[in-house]
Formats: sequence, structure tokens, C-alpha cells
Amino acid sequence: AQSVTQLGSHVSVSEGALVLLRCNYSSSVPPYLFWYVQYPNQGLQLLLKYTSAATLVKGINGFEAEFKKSETSFHLTKPSAHMSDAAEYFCAVTDAGGTSYGKLTFGQGTILTVHP
Amino acid sequence: DAGVIQSPRHEVTEMGQEVTLRCKPISGHDYLFWYRQTMMRGLELLIYFNNNVPIDDSGMPEDRFSAKMPNASFSTLKIQPSEPRDSAVYFCASSGGSEDEQYFGPGTRLTVT
Repeated sequence: AQSVTQLGSHVSVSEGALVLLRCNYSSSVPPYLFWYVQYPNQGLQLLLKYTSAATLVKGINGFEAEFKKSETSFHLTKPSAHMSDAAEYFCAVTDAGGTSYGKLTFGQGTILTVHP
Repeated sequence: DAGVIQSPRHEVTEMGQEVTLRCKPISGHDYLFWYRQTMMRGLELLIYFNNNVPIDDSGMPEDRFSAKMPNASFSTLKIQPSEPRDSAVYFCASSGGSEDEQYFGPGTRLTVT
């Protein structure tokens, strides 16, 4: 079985500050990992994904995440927050060819607030 | 590409009525997913299809919910009869394979009074 834990349901940062959103996963087989963003009243949009290539993954809008197998983590970072980054962020995991092929398990989400 | 298309965007109905939500996946995608999002339970996978065949419906809450995919370009999620606790945003997503990202539609906000 797979699961995702996002530490902190709400994160607040100042504009220009570092953004760090935490995600830990559990998977019985090598995972594929994803970060999605959801703006108000919209569907989810992919920020970046890890599919067993480079452990440091760069995504859209200046976000990146590092896969750390020893820590079972896939934290999302951005060096400098912008007001437009305010949204809800979801970490998700799927098995790489496991029995739940194609199925994503999502975390509970982290709401990011950016203050001027 | 127009992306994943869902209709209606908003649905308000009375308890006991039948509700049908519709989804058109991205052309060429062979996986289709139905999710429900609520404040209390977050984002839940209800059912997913591969090549129009239901693969996993373990997330469907109860017999009142049913989903079909008659062809590669259309899927429905039906609730009959609807109840107030079904109020949520329902998302459809599609992907081109298990490693590929899932592309989400804009969602249908369902309110059952």
C-alpha cells in the first residue's frame, strides 16, 4: 500500500522568502512522485514529477523537489516566493509498475499563503 | 488541445434526484480517473478506467454511485439517488500511461440540498 503525508496543512511565507513544503511517502515498491498545484476553483495542475531519473527535479514556476530515498521524502522548494504562488499544493505517489499501476494516492494538501 | 472537459461546471439538485456528471478526456489518453474533493476527506479517487474498462472501483462510496465509459472519448459518473453528503467537487482526469502525469478537468461543483 502507498501513502503520502504532507507536514503542515497551512504554510505562510513572506514574498521573496524561501518556500518549503514537506512530503513524506510510503511505498512497497519504487515510487513515482508528483507535486500538483490547485488554484481556487480550478483543477489540479502538475508542477513536477519524479520517475526514477535525476533525484533533483525541476518544475514550472521556479519550483523544484528532491527525492531522498533514505528519508522517504520529496519536499518541494522555491527560493523566492511570489504572490502568485498562493494556492494549495498536493503531493502524490504511485507505484512504478506495481499492482496499483496508474493510480495516484494524494496527500491532504498544504495551503500556501504569501504575505506582501 | 482543449484539455479535459467536464460538464456541468455547477449542479444544484434536491436530495433524491439523479445526478449525471460528464467527462471528455484528452484525445489519445487511455486512462481516465474520477475523483471527489471535500474539505473533510480531501481528494479521493473514486474509480479509474484503462482502455474504457474499469480497473479499480474500490473508492466508489456505495451502490448509489456508478460510472461508465462507453467509448474512449466519454465517461459519466451517476449518483442515484443523491444525498446532501454527496455535495463536493468532482474531478475527472486523464493520462496517457501510468508514468504520465494526470491532466485534470476544471471540476463539477455539486450541491445537494
